[in-house]
Amino acid sequence: DTGVSQNPRHKITKRGQNVTFRCDPISEHNRLYWYRQTLGQGPEFLTYFQNEAQLEKSRLLSDRFSAERPKGSFSTLEIQRTEQGDSAMYLCASSSWSPWSEKLFFGSGTQLSVL
Amino acid sequence: TQLLEQSPQFLSIQEGENLTVYCNSSSVFSSLQWYRQEPGEGPVLLVTVVTGGEVKKLKRLTFQFGDARKDSSLHITAAQPGDTGLYLCAGAFNSGGSNYKLTFGKGTLLTVNP
Repeated sequence: DTGVSQNPRHKITKRGQNVTFRCDPISEHNRLYWYRQTLGQGPEFLTYFQNEAQLEKSRLLSDRFSAERPKGSFSTLEIQRTEQGDSAMYLCASSSWSPWSEKLFFGSGTQLSVL
Repeated sequence: TQLLEQSPQFLSIQEGENLTVYCNSSSVFSSLQWYRQEPGEGPVLLVTVVTGGEVKKLKRLTFQFGDARKDSSLHITAAQPGDTGLYLCAGAFNSGGSNYKLTFGKGTLLTVNP
C-alpha cells in the first residue's frame, strides 16, 4: 500500500464553478478526515467519517461543501459555487483508531486556486 | 474552542545548532502529536505523547509532554538542513472515549542553513 492518495494535486478554477476532489485512504483504515490549510496556518478540521458514516462537520463547512464516503472506501469533497476564499490546500487523512490515540496518515493534498 | 499556540513562529539557524520549539494550550489534552510538513506535502507524524511528563526521543529529536498535559516541547540537537520544515503540534480531546478531530497549531517554520 502506498499511503493516502489525493487527486488532483492542483486545481485552478474560476469563481462560481464547482470542483470535486477525491481521496483514497489506506485500505485497512476505517476513519477518514478532511482538513483545510491556508498559508501560514495549521490544518483546520472540516469533517470526518467512520466507515461510510459522516460523524461530524465543522462550522467551517458551509452548505456549499459536501463530502461523501460511499461504501466506506474512497471519499469525495465537493465545493459548489467556489469563492476566492475557498483557495487553500485540502488535505485528506486516514487512520485506524485506537483507544489511546490516533495516528493520522495524510495525503499530499489538493491545492485549490480560485481565480 | 481549544487553541494551540506554537512558538516561535519562524526560526532560522545554522547547521549544528540546537533548538527548542514550544506548544502551549489552556486546555488539557488526552494526547498530543507532533508532525513535520514539507512544502507542497501533507504533514507526517513524528511522535504521540500521552502521559504527563512523558519524554520520547527520535534520533536527534526529543519530545516532552508537560506534567499537566497542557504543553509540549520539541528539542532538536545538532540541526541539519534536512530538518527544515514546518513543525506542527496537534492536540486530541477525550470525547466519549474516542479521540478525534485533532486541533493543530499554526506551526513553527524551521530553516536550517548549511
